[in-house]
Amino acid sequence: AQSVTQLDSHVSVSEGTPVLLRCNYSSSYSPSLFWYVQHPNKGLQLLLKYTSAATLVKGINGFEAEFKKSETSFHLTKPSAHMSDAAEYFCVVSPPGGSNAGKSTFGDGTTLTVKP
Amino acid sequence: DVKVTQSSRYLVKRTGEKVFLECVQDMDHENMFWYRQDPGLGLRLIYFSYDVKMKEKGDIPEGYSVSREKKERFSLILESASTNQTSMYLCASNFGGRNTEAFFGQGTRLTVV
Repeated sequence: AQSVTQLDSHVSVSEGTPVLLRCNYSSSYSPSLFWYVQHPNKGLQLLLKYTSAATLVKGINGFEAEFKKSETSFHLTKPSAHMSDAAEYFCVVSPPGGSNAGKSTFGDGTTLTVKP
Repeated sequence: DVKVTQSSRYLVKRTGEKVFLECVQDMDHENMFWYRQDPGLGLRLIYFSYDVKMKEKGDIPEGYSVSREKKERFSLILESASTNQTSMYLCASNFGGRNTEAFFGQGTRLTVV
């Protein structure tokens, strides 16, 4: 069984300030973890993924996330927000591969607003 | 670049109509998925397919069926559209195996009137 909780449905930051989007997960196995971004009226795009090679994962557009097993967290951060970062962000937990690969669980999403 | 293409961006259909949503991917992915996305509910899996002619129900399959006759194409069928099926529908695909991310189409916004 697996689940994912995005702790904030909305986050608002000023341009140039840090971004923190929080995600907690639960899983009965060693999960794969992903962050996706969705801009208005678009599909989802992968930001980064945790592959168990390193706990600090760097993604596109300056985003990174840290896997903390003891806290079952995978929070997304960016040092300095840009106006183009305004979007909806999804944390996703997936089981090991094979036929179970389809059983990903998506968080409810966090809407990031960036103020000028 | 991986491309997942959904046949329509916007659709308006009448209650009771049979509706087909088509999705094509060009990367020879084994897995294909259909999700619906509603405000406050995130993405919910309707059906997925891990091979040609193979399908599994997701979390909300009622009122939907799917077809995968060719590896690159995955169709979602609303047998008799209802207003509560008004939603954004997203298709995705990926390779089988661990740590493989999904690639998404641009979405189809379906309105049933």
